[in-house]
Amino acid sequence: KNEVEQSPQNLTAQEGEFITINCSYSVGISALHWLQQHPGGGIVSLFMLSSGKKKHGRLIATINIQEKHSSLHITASHPRDSAVYICAVSPLATNKLIFGTGTLLAVQP
Amino acid sequence: GAGVSQTPSNKVTEKGKYVELRCDPISGHTALYWYRQSLGQGPEFLIYFQGTGAADDSGLPNDRFFAVRPEGSVSTLKIQRTERGDSAVYLCASSLFAENTEAFFGQGTRLTVV
Repeated sequence: KNEVEQSPQNLTAQEGEFITINCSYSVGISALHWLQQHPGGGIVSLFMLSSGKKKHGRLIATINIQEKHSSLHITASHPRDSAVYICAVSPLATNKLIFGTGTLLAVQP
Repeated sequence: GAGVSQTPSNKVTEKGKYVELRCDPISGHTALYWYRQSLGQGPEFLIYFQGTGAADDSGLPNDRFFAVRPEGSVSTLKIQRTERGDSAVYLCASSLFAENTEAFFGQGTRLTVV
């Protein structure tokens, strides 16, 4: 079993829809990261959080440390949001990231 | 430069050859990471540098893989006797400090071993 699990693996949405991507992890962490990767492109950090909720534009990330679960929400989705969204965790006492396999999001106009 | 720079962006090599992949981190970032991403998978940790020293190399798959960061800035990932299974995107990331700071990723080097 992977230490970081994401769902769904693939998601197709219509423009304007509210989108939720989920991440569950099984290790103790110091922080959780949400990252975005476009085809052929590098990885961009969206959020780093260790508790509560963060918002940036149309993106919202929440984390529940007790339940070892995080969600990434996209409001009013747009085709330019189409990308792979990756959840990664920083385990306690290490400095590396452990990544989920990503969620491929396609937003259709 | 403003971001993490990796060169080359693409590398095709023959099985058995030696390759070097270079990473220029953001200036002043003390922590540098190498990850490997196979098609359809999330990145996997290879090695982490704090300054000049490899603080954690537990992700290197075998002794054909080696990385250096002699002056605490630029890092080179070296792969000897390449195999077709080494084909992947090799990602470099840097962060200001090691713990609880945002990591900035390069565009990656796509390595293809034929």
